[in-house]
Amino acid sequence: SAVISQKPSRDICQRGTSLTIQCQVDSQVTMMFWYRQQPGQSLTLIATANQGSEATYESGFVIDKFPISRPNLTFSTLTVSNMSPEDSSIYLCSVERDSDTQYFGPGTRLTVL
Amino acid sequence: EDQVTQSPEALRLQEGESSSLNCSYTVSGLRGLFWYRQDPGKGPEFLFTLYSAGEEKEKERLKATLTKKESFLHITAPKPEDSATYLCAGLTSGGYNKLIFGAGTRLAVHP
Repeated sequence: SAVISQKPSRDICQRGTSLTIQCQVDSQVTMMFWYRQQPGQSLTLIATANQGSEATYESGFVIDKFPISRPNLTFSTLTVSNMSPEDSSIYLCSVERDSDTQYFGPGTRLTVL
Repeated sequence: EDQVTQSPEALRLQEGESSSLNCSYTVSGLRGLFWYRQDPGKGPEFLFTLYSAGEEKEKERLKATLTKKESFLHITAPKPEDSATYLCAGLTSGGYNKLIFGAGTRLAVHP
């Protein structure tokens, strides 16, 4: 398994601002993932972040809106830029361990006013 | 298009009343079928991985099974603490490991 922490756990932001979410894992991992879970819905993959390379974004998500950093093998950040109320969601990071299994952090609950 | 569909959306059980949750999938080159449990305000917690049709995995009151088109999560004699949303996800066989999640089944077990 994996011990994953995220900061902040929740935030309330004004439209037009940006928020950076941090994800820290207890030991080194190659693959880290960022997901969005909109109210009452399931998880949608935003991007995959490998250390030392550019993040790979899924259809409908772009780097200008969701820039990602992966400076080392235990840490990643996701920035939600120029926020609008439609960005209100739970943002989750996950890491891959144990034969393709992904383990998730506790999530960051974002509300945009 | 890869898709995972779960049913029912919500399920209410009395304590001790066994039932099954369904997960049907159309995922090209499925590499694995995953079940997670998610409690309110928390991230998903890994339960099981199934890799081939006919495979079964058990953990306490939960048993997951897999066919070529669907997976079932059987809950035997559930307790109130089993109340949660149960998510299934298919792992694709593309260049990287992508999970396609279903919308989940919200389970409520009442004493």
